Amino acid sequence: NAGVTQTPKFQVLKTGQSMTLQCAQDMNHNSMYWYRQDPGMGLRLIYYSASEGTTDKGEVPNGYNVSRLNKREFSLRLESAAPSQTSVYFCASSGGSPGGNIQYFGAGTRLSVL
Amino acid sequence: AQSVTQLGSHVSVSEGALVLLRCNYSSSVPPYLFWYVQYPNQGLQLLLKYTSAATLVKGINGFEAEFKKSETSFHLTKPSAHMSDAAEYFCAVRVYGGATNKLIFGTGTLLAVQP
Repeated sequence: NAGVTQTPKFQVLKTGQSMTLQCAQDMNHNSMYWYRQDPGMGLRLIYYSASEGTTDKGEVPNGYNVSRLNKREFSLRLESAAPSQTSVYFCASSGGSPGGNIQYFGAGTRLSVL
Repeated sequence: AQSVTQLGSHVSVSEGALVLLRCNYSSSVPPYLFWYVQYPNQGLQLLLKYTSAATLVKGINGFEAEFKKSETSFHLTKPSAHMSDAAEYFCAVRVYGGATNKLIFGTGTLLAVQP
């Protein structure tokens, strides 16, 4: 039961470097999400994808890009990392029909930007 | 716009005591509400959800929550705390409309359980 798998688990970057966070789900879910978690701020939605081939901005999209590679995979890219992007990043997915379906979360990627 | 507010960023209880974590929501439409739990260095997992059926919702690990429309509340309770309940708890509301199950999360409540 893999569920939602995120890689890497930890990463340290220097300001200006780029990286891609990977996410894959094996539950045949249509929708996928990227969140960041910061102390005292809960989880904030960065980008989401309602279905394969579509992506939309969430609450805090600046400085990020995403790719919905196929139904299973949804990646998050930082083109030029900044210290303000130091955070814990979570990927989630949810099933087909709307109306209360839950989101399943990965274990997170802990990113530090120096 | 929809939102949730969690009162109390830190709650401390003794083992065996009642756990009460507060969540109030704001929504112009009947809300779908969720409680998630996050154990240290892990992702979030669902505790329970309210989707307009019974107002008293039972979840995993002995937790339950009651939807009270008159108070716009969805507080989480557990009669007797266990050491293993120490974690961060998040209340969330589903964003109305659209083709996804987007959620808006509260800022979280960190529960400490004292022996």
